[in-house]
Amino acid sequence: DIQLTQSPSSLSASAGDRVTITCRASQSISNYLNWYQQKPGKAPKLLISAASSLQSGVPSRFSGSRSGTDFTLTISSLQPEDFATYYCQQSYNSLFTFGGGTKVEIK
Amino acid sequence: QVQLQESGPGLVKPSQTLSLTCTVSGGSINSGGYYWSWIRQHPGKGLEWIGYVYYSGSTYYSPSLKSRVTISLDTSKNQFSLKLSSVTAADTAVYYCASFGKYSYGYGPFDYWGQGTLVSVSS
Repeated sequence: DIQLTQSPSSLSASAGDRVTITCRASQSISNYLNWYQQKPGKAPKLLISAASSLQSGVPSRFSGSRSGTDFTLTISSLQPEDFATYYCQQSYNSLFTFGGGTKVEIK
Repeated sequence: QVQLQESGPGLVKPSQTLSLTCTVSGGSINSGGYYWSWIRQHPGKGLEWIGYVYYSGSTYYSPSLKSRVTISLDTSKNQFSLKLSSVTAADTAVYYCASFGKYSYGYGPFDYWGQGTLVSVSS
């Protein structure tokens, strides 16, 4: 299995802050890394696919990048509606795996 | 716009079989290129992929659940289903149906999700 290690597992931030979440893969997965946002009681919502491709309708303050097997989700200026849990997921092979999640809380 | 909706019992007794159905609207389950999947989330925990079925009927399951899982299609109703046998309290979770595509470059993300349904395993 491809393991995805997300860090931090939680963070506190204020509106307007720049937030960075990291997802490290246990092996090379090329760009096959996706990011989701999940709010309480809701299904995950796809934000970014293929490491850096922003989905239609997702605000441009969200961005994704890759450096080797390290992937980063950045929120450039945190908005109140961004407080949620974020998950990475690899689609390099069909034995899909998710990261453990990062909960973004209000400071 | 494809929409998915889970349905099934919210309570299952230990050792019994959990059965859920996902109804697909806005697209045909029979069309190639899309895969139909189940994912679960234990209370307060992360996401766990269970398996998928393709329109051809081919399936692929998580090794950790493979011995207990069956995912199948009902093309006449545009539905796919999940059966998980010999359940225990550890199978209590929110179960999501979701879909993803396969493209020339490889597998896509889970871009369509149902709202999720909580299944509790208890006597």
